[in-house]
Amino acid sequence: GAGVSQSPSNKVTEKGKDVELRCDPISGHTALYWYRQSLGQGLEFLIYFQGNSAPDKSGLPSDRFSAERTGGSVSTLTIQRTQQEDSAVYLCASSARAQGETQYFGPGTRLLVL
Amino acid sequence: AQSVTQPDIHITVSEGASLELRCNYSYGATPYLFWYVQSPGQGLQLLLKYFSGDTLVQGIKGFEAEFKRSQSSFNLRKPSVHWSDAAEYFCAVGVRAGNNRKLIWGLGTSLAVNP
Repeated sequence: GAGVSQSPSNKVTEKGKDVELRCDPISGHTALYWYRQSLGQGLEFLIYFQGNSAPDKSGLPSDRFSAERTGGSVSTLTIQRTQQEDSAVYLCASSARAQGETQYFGPGTRLLVL
Repeated sequence: AQSVTQPDIHITVSEGASLELRCNYSYGATPYLFWYVQSPGQGLQLLLKYFSGDTLVQGIKGFEAEFKRSQSSFNLRKPSVHWSDAAEYFCAVGVRAGNNRKLIWGLGTSLAVNP
């Protein structure tokens, strides 16, 4: 079946602009996660959704970052007033409780802030 | 605090040689442990996982890993490396406490394979 998909695959933006990154999880997966992968920091957890609610937002680095999930499916990660340090690959994953919370990852969105 | 350490930043092996990638974790409860592989420009692919039971787990592409609680380790092994195994390998521990559900990652080990 289809895996996790993310769009866009690449995004170049200017400092100060807002960006939206989209994630389509595997059909039927109730949990969705966002991570950030950058050269200096490795892989960092950002936020976790169970259904449409986000019980764990502890990894969001600042209030410029927000995320929502609608219909228990698609999620959007929004970064407002982007800064150069936001440049990274943003990875989305989903999991189904029946699979013991193994997370399956999408290909990522590579964000470059100029 | 939960953490994962991969002591080797970069490893080079010859094709056909055996491989062991080290992973040490710090976690207060029984850990869920994972190894993922990331090829250049690709997403993260699950190689194998440990939740409970047999401490030697088999994964895809001929990889295996052994959970050793006494050493807080989950090392990845392969008896004979192929050139296509060149990639970045990440060890992770799954946190599940209250509303927290996330993976804590090591910094990765980059594997190069010489022909």
